Amino acid sequence: NAGVMQNPRHLVRRRGQEARLRCSPMKGHSHVYWYRQLPEEGLKFMVYLQKENIIDESGMPKERFSAEFPKEGPSILRIQQVVRGDSAAYFCASSPPRRGAYTDTQYFGPGTRLTVL
Amino acid sequence: EDKVVQSPLSLVVHEGDTVTLNCSYEVTNFRSLLWYKQEKKAPTFLFMLTSSGIEKKSGRLSSILDKKELFSILNITATQTGDSAVYLCAVVYAGGTSYGKLTFGQGTILTVHP
Repeated sequence: NAGVMQNPRHLVRRRGQEARLRCSPMKGHSHVYWYRQLPEEGLKFMVYLQKENIIDESGMPKERFSAEFPKEGPSILRIQQVVRGDSAAYFCASSPPRRGAYTDTQYFGPGTRLTVL
Repeated sequence: EDKVVQSPLSLVVHEGDTVTLNCSYEVTNFRSLLWYKQEKKAPTFLFMLTSSGIEKKSGRLSSILDKKELFSILNITATQTGDSAVYLCAVVYAGGTSYGKLTFGQGTILTVHP
């Protein structure tokens, strides 16, 4: 059973370009979460999605960032017009459909390390 | 403001030592607490705790939650160099618009020397 898949693992962009990060959840998981880890900081929640729905985007910057989880295909985190401060590790996590507390566990992918030059 | 605070921030020990990592939280609408181990990649799941006083064990690792005092501890006995990592605790909210997201502490960096 494959774990959470993320690609690319490393992404280099110049200021002003767009970054697209992809996440495929574990098989059977319908909930996807994106987190950002800035250098020397902890993991910070960005957005929580289910298929075709954004459930909670309270951690997303108001501009330049967007996320989707279409009916078919991976979840995408898009960052437009990247700036140096966007350089970070972006982790995706997934969890199964909610049926009690045991489904609270989120399983993380390997992350995408974004470097903005 | 909701907070998850871990201590110590870093810890250096020798192989064979026992360590205790702490996680305290001040959150509204607590549902469960998770512990993760992060090496140079994805956080890997260790434990989920929902009930006070019930110890979870996995090999040399164990954890317990105190919902009255709002903290959890992670114990590692007979440490090995492979235990060197950042240990993260995170809180899950029970409902409302925050349902589902994890709020992480800043992590404890554990270094185990041979």
